Amino acid sequence: GNSVTQMEGPVTLSEEAFLTINCTYTATGYPSLFWYVQYPGEGLQLLLKATKADDKGSNKGFEATYRKETTSFHLEKGSVQVSDSAVYFCALSDQDSGYALNFGKGTSLLVTP
Amino acid sequence: EAGVVQSPRYKIIEKKQPVAFWCNPISGHNTLYWYLQNLGQGPELLIRYENEEAVDDSQLPKDRFSAERLKGVDSTLKIQPAELGDSAVYLCASSLAEGYNEQFFGPGTRLTVL
Repeated sequence: GNSVTQMEGPVTLSEEAFLTINCTYTATGYPSLFWYVQYPGEGLQLLLKATKADDKGSNKGFEATYRKETTSFHLEKGSVQVSDSAVYFCALSDQDSGYALNFGKGTSLLVTP
Repeated sequence: EAGVVQSPRYKIIEKKQPVAFWCNPISGHNTLYWYLQNLGQGPELLIRYENEEAVDDSQLPKDRFSAERLKGVDSTLKIQPAELGDSAVYLCASSLAEGYNEQFFGPGTRLTVL
């Protein structure tokens, strides 16, 4: 079955540091890949997505590239801000699952001034 | 445009009591999902609706959980009786239609079973 593995947190960074959160997946078909973010006290929000191999999703300075050869979708940001502190979830969906999202466990990010 | 609405936001009950959660999806969204999120985990699908039809309820523990979406709009998820292990956040999400890539999530209902 499908599964998503992402790096364990918490991740603590200083403001303006470079961020990478690793995500790898297992899927039988050709999934779409997503990063969702959950800010404290708020619901899950879609951060970015990629629907096919080599696509790059980007939003708010975050980027992730769909790498089929390494089955990865790592999240990166060049310079994090305190306001980026949140929990980040990698997820996939495909036709086999009826497009329901299959999430990783989440990675908590804390950015300090 | 209003987002996905869920109520209540928080619920505390004694074990063996019944509890119900309500979700109103974004207007026009035919597909509705209920997810369960345990502490420190990612959400897991409980049930998926296409309009009023439950097209995937394979992960729903049917001995105590039930759900309905009678008119293909809002939905209710029920637990009867609740157990200690049901303490979690229950998330509702909607999308325009099956296969549409973006799901929009509500704020969730945090259930505590004592």
